[in-house]
Order: sequence, then structure tokens, then C-alpha cells
Amino acid sequence: EAQVTQNPRYLITVTGKKLTVTCSQNMNHEYMSWYRQDPGLGLRQIYYSMNVEVTDKGDVPEGYKVSRKEKRNFPLILESPSPNQTSLYFCASSPRSGGLALEQFFGPGTRLTVL
Amino acid sequence: QKEVEQNSGPLSVPEGAIASLNCTYSDRGSQSFFWYRQYSGKSPELIMFIYSNGDKEDGRFTAQLNKASQYVSLLIRDSQPSDSATYLCAVNGGYGQNFVFGPGTRLSVLP
Repeated sequence: EAQVTQNPRYLITVTGKKLTVTCSQNMNHEYMSWYRQDPGLGLRQIYYSMNVEVTDKGDVPEGYKVSRKEKRNFPLILESPSPNQTSLYFCASSPRSGGLALEQFFGPGTRLTVL
Repeated sequence: QKEVEQNSGPLSVPEGAIASLNCTYSDRGSQSFFWYRQYSGKSPELIMFIYSNGDKEDGRFTAQLNKASQYVSLLIRDSQPSDSATYLCAVNGGYGQNFVFGPGTRLSVLP
């Protein structure tokens, strides 16, 4: 089954304790992305990657790191989480296109609480 | 800062009516436009995408794009209670650029 998986689905942690949220897709997509979703603010892009070893900042990259060492994986790293990073996080992937952006496929989401 | 705006709602329509959802965007260079549906606590799922000015129909859904007015809309005909969800408008300037989402419009279809 074609899908985007995220782990963990739920996480409660404390301020300053480094964490990683994994994202993996089995559709051979070049484009992968991380979003956070907060009430009233919609989905905001954190980082995205067009291919292995190529990453770019989205609208809200502060406090986050990413890496793309393999095509299928795109982990999100919070080196020192703070309470304002409490949010619902989505990973998404999209196939490569010649010019126009194509549909994104979203993972199930990770609900993160930072105390 | 690229912006996408939507009425937050809630938009309430009776079952069987037409629901009209609107979205405006600030970046004139935007090329791809997407409508996603999101049920509470779930991930967004694509309803339609549109690239060219005009209308695009898929079943009960019609997307309308007017690049001159920087406006994209989604019409849902014969609305069903199962259509009750939040509808997200997303805009992109081309492959390799970031996606910008609107805050979403909550739709409630009343039986």
C-alpha cells in the first residue's frame, strides 16, 4: 500500500529534551515536506526537500532541523524543544514534476506536547 | 510573505444545497492551486487541483480559478453531511517552491 508513515503518532516530552520524528514514504517521491498545524493558523510549512541532500526552509523553520540522506526518509529533529512547539505535525510527499507542483500525500500526523 | 486567505466559517448549508468556498492568494507568481479536505484529527486529503484559469469539474466538485483576481473557489453540489469538514486551500509557485496553505474553512452540512 502506497503511504507516508510517521512515528511516533503521539509524544509528550519536556523542554530541552532532543527528539526526532521519523517520516518514511514508499512511493519513490522526490519531494518531501514537514508541516505544523495549529488552531486558527492552518498548515505551515517547516522544511521541504526536493531530493536527497537538498533541503530548503519553509515559513517556520526556527527550532527545527531536517536531513534527507535517503530518498524515502525525511526525519524532523527538535534539538531543544520548547512549549511553543506543541503542535500537530504532518509529513507529506509528492512526485517530481517538470514544473508544476503536484498533489501531496500526507502522513497520519504526530501530536507533540512539550511541557 | 506569501499569504492565502479563507473565510474561517463555520459555513452551514442544508443537505442537498451548494456549498461555496473561497480562497484568495497574494503571490501573482502562483501556478498550482489545491483544495484539501480535512476531518477533525485526520490528515488532509486532496479533493481537486487546478492550474489554468476557468472551471474544473470532478463529480460533485467544481474548482474555479481566476488568476487576474487571484481567486480560487470550490463548489460542492448536492452537499452531504459527510462533506462536513475543514477545507484547506493551498497554493504553490512551481515545483521546488514551498506550499502555502490558508487557515481553512469549516463546513457544516445540516441533515
